[in-house]
Amino acid sequence: DIQMTQSPSTLSASVGDRVTITCRASQSISTWLAWYQQKPGKAPKFLIYKASSLESGVPSRFSGSGSGTEFTLTISSLQPDDFATYYCQQYSSLWTFGQGTKVEIK
Amino acid sequence: EVQLVESGGGLVQPGGSLRLSCAASGFPFSSYEMTWVRQAPGKGLEWVSYSNSNGYTVHYADSVKGRFTISRDNARNSLYLQMNSLRVEDTAIYYCVRDRSSYFDYWGQGTLVTVSS
Repeated sequence: DIQMTQSPSTLSASVGDRVTITCRASQSISTWLAWYQQKPGKAPKFLIYKASSLESGVPSRFSGSGSGTEFTLTISSLQPDDFATYYCQQYSSLWTFGQGTKVEIK
Repeated sequence: EVQLVESGGGLVQPGGSLRLSCAASGFPFSSYEMTWVRQAPGKGLEWVSYSNSNGYTVHYADSVKGRFTISRDNARNSLYLQMNSLRVEDTAIYYCVRDRSSYFDYWGQGTLVTVSS
């Protein structure tokens, strides 16, 4: 089974900050990686697929990069609506999510 | 507009059974693969089960294999999850999710399953 590890688990930041979340796979997954955003009490929202392709309607301040085993999600200028928990997910072999990174207000 | 509406959750005793349903609308359901994902209270996301578009190919997480069964009725635009031999650790919100090329683009609001005596 492929394991996904995100870091950090919690991130404190201010509006306007550049934020980066890292996701590591236990083996190479090429670019078969997606990112999701989840707010309390809500279903996850799909953001990025194939490591770096932005889903239609997702603000351009979100970007993804990486391949193989190391990936990043970057928010270029954090907005009030972006405080949430973010999950990476591999879909190279079945499906596995990272444990999540909570982005909180500093 | 794509809509996925889950139902069937509730309180059940350990060892009991429950059947979840998901009513889909706003897209050609029979053309899409579908998935169930769950989230235990205060925890992260866990993929549970997958069905291809005609229901003939299915997959399960090891944690539910042999106890849960995914099925679908394309004529009714519905996805199901039959859950047997439920355990306390199956307590979670269960999400019905549309699978687009193996990533999950639309999620229902979820239905809560509580396994407790």
